[in-house]
This record gives sequence, structure tokens and C-alpha cells, in this order.
Amino acid sequence: DAGVIQSPRHEVTEMGQEVTLRCKPISGHNSLFWYRQTMMRGLELLIYFNNNVPIDDSGMPEDRFSAKMPNASFSTLKIQPSEPRDSAVYFCASRTGGETQYFGPGTRLLVL
Amino acid sequence: QKEVEQNSGPLSVPEGAIASLNCTYSDRGSQSFFWYRQYSGKSPELIMFIYSNGDKEDGRFTAQLNKASQYVSLLIRDSQPSDSATYLCALNSGGYQKVTFGIGTKLQVIP
Repeated sequence: DAGVIQSPRHEVTEMGQEVTLRCKPISGHNSLFWYRQTMMRGLELLIYFNNNVPIDDSGMPEDRFSAKMPNASFSTLKIQPSEPRDSAVYFCASRTGGETQYFGPGTRLLVL
Repeated sequence: QKEVEQNSGPLSVPEGAIASLNCTYSDRGSQSFFWYRQYSGKSPELIMFIYSNGDKEDGRFTAQLNKASQYVSLLIRDSQPSDSATYLCALNSGGYQKVTFGIGTKLQVIP
């Protein structure tokens, strides 16, 4: 099993640019989570999908953030336009019917 | 008040000692409690979960839950330098099992 796959692993961009983060969950997992981790705020849930449907997006900071899950094996998190305060590590995690969430390696985003 | 409170540390313990990591939470409706370990630059990984009041042991790790006091702890016996990491306390609340994380406690095990 390859685990949760995220790309890119590192992203450096300039303020105002569009950033797209990608996630491939573990095959057979029906829940997908996007998190953001910073030193100050820790690990925060941005959005949760179940069976490809967004269930809770209350953690999405503002309209600049959007997420999609067009099928069971792919999800994207987009930031447009990006700002320096968006700099963080973004994790994708997936889960099947149990409690355990499996995290991907994360994308380190730096917005200059 | 934050939903999940942890002391960010660092907590330093000598090798072979017991490390005690603590966590308090505000939502009395929380049902499931988790401890994740996160090595520097890596992703979190689940090491233990607990649902019922009392202790749950797994090897060198013991999770303790006291719902009346809204308190969760993780004990690591015979601490090893390889245990040096940040330990995230998390809980499940809400109908769809939303997991909320604490800020994490950084543990340093000194050889």
C-alpha cells in the first residue's frame, strides 16, 4: 500500500499566485481530510469529504480557499490568490470506517 | 477556551524515565480520544486511542482517560531517545467524528 500521496512536497510561490495542492487517498478509504499545520495554531481541519461529498468546510479560512474531490482517488486544495499568511504545512489524511486517520507526507507551502 | 489544551513544552526526561504527557478538553460530549506522534518534519501517526474511563496499555505506552475531569494523559515508560517527538492529543466530537487536535507537546528524551 503506497499510503496517502500528496504533491507537490514543497511549494514556493509569490503572493497573489494560485496554488494547487493534490492528494490521492488510500484506495478504499471513503473519508478525506485536509489539514493545515502552523507553529502558532497547530493542526487545523480545513475540510472533510465523505464519499467525495464535502461534509464540513467550516475550517476553510476564507473564500480564497477551495477544495474539490471529483472522484474517490483524487482531491485538490486551491488557494487563489495566495498570501504570506497561508505559509504552512498542508496535510491530507484519509480514513475508512474506523477511527484511524492516515496522514500523507504533507506539502510545505511558502508564500513570499 | 481551546477545545483541546496541551502544554507545548518542551518536556525533557532522561532516558529510561517515565514521560507523562497531559491534555485537557472542554467538550463533555467528546467520545473518543487519540494520541498521535509526530517526528520533526514528518506527518502525525496514531499511537493510541481510548474510549472509556481508566487506563489502556500498549507496550510501553499507557493512555489514561478521566471524563469527569475532562483529562487525558499518555505515559511512556522506559523512555528512549527515539521517543523524542511532538505528541498530539486529539478528540472526536460531532456527528461525523470530526477530530480536533491540540497544539502538541514536544518531548525530548535525553540520553
